[in-house]
Amino acid sequence: DAKTTQPTSMDCAEGRAANLPCNHSTISGNEYVYWYRQIHSQGPQYIIHGLKNNETNEMASLIITEDRKSSTLILPHATLRDTAVYYCIVRRLTSGTYKYIFGTGTRLKVLA
Amino acid sequence: DTGVSQNPRHKITKRGQNVTFRCDPISEHNRLYWYRQTLGQGPEFLTYFQNEAQLEKSRLLSDRFSAERPKGSFSTLEIQRTEQGDSAMYLCASSPTWGPDTQYFGPGTRLTVL
Repeated sequence: DAKTTQPTSMDCAEGRAANLPCNHSTISGNEYVYWYRQIHSQGPQYIIHGLKNNETNEMASLIITEDRKSSTLILPHATLRDTAVYYCIVRRLTSGTYKYIFGTGTRLKVLA
Repeated sequence: DTGVSQNPRHKITKRGQNVTFRCDPISEHNRLYWYRQTLGQGPEFLTYFQNEAQLEKSRLLSDRFSAERPKGSFSTLEIQRTEQGDSAMYLCASSPTWGPDTQYFGPGTRLTVL
């Protein structure tokens, strides 16, 4: 199984970029990297996903290394509302389903 | 709001009682997932439906748990003879069958078994 490794927690100053790393050294060539975040007591919120190329949307940027063994989620200007647990997930197809395997994520605290 | 909805948002029950949760997916999403999340952990996969067919069940889904999606739209998750260990957040997600199959989650139902 392609598993992910993330730091347990990180702090970031408000207004600065938050860079959240993720290692997925056993990723297969056709597996996507997904990022979600979960604010306390809410359901996970989709942020971004990618396969090989770097991706950007209105929420964040995703940088995937050329060997695809790691990636970084970038929140360009962190706000207090970005305080959450961020999950990096490798989406694999198992038995015909695209179930997600969540780890424990990175708890990001944005400081005023 | 056209997102995934779940009801109730909170449920407190006594050990041994039965509970049922409902999930309404995003309209036209054929795939529906149930996850369970305990404190401090990431969500864990429970089961998956494509339309009305239940295609996969986790070993976490004991025989006290049953999920249905009778008409391929909303889904229910029932827990019989609840135990204190069933206390958790139960999350529902849905995804379309086209594109990258991104899953969109509902707000969850928090179950407390006393």
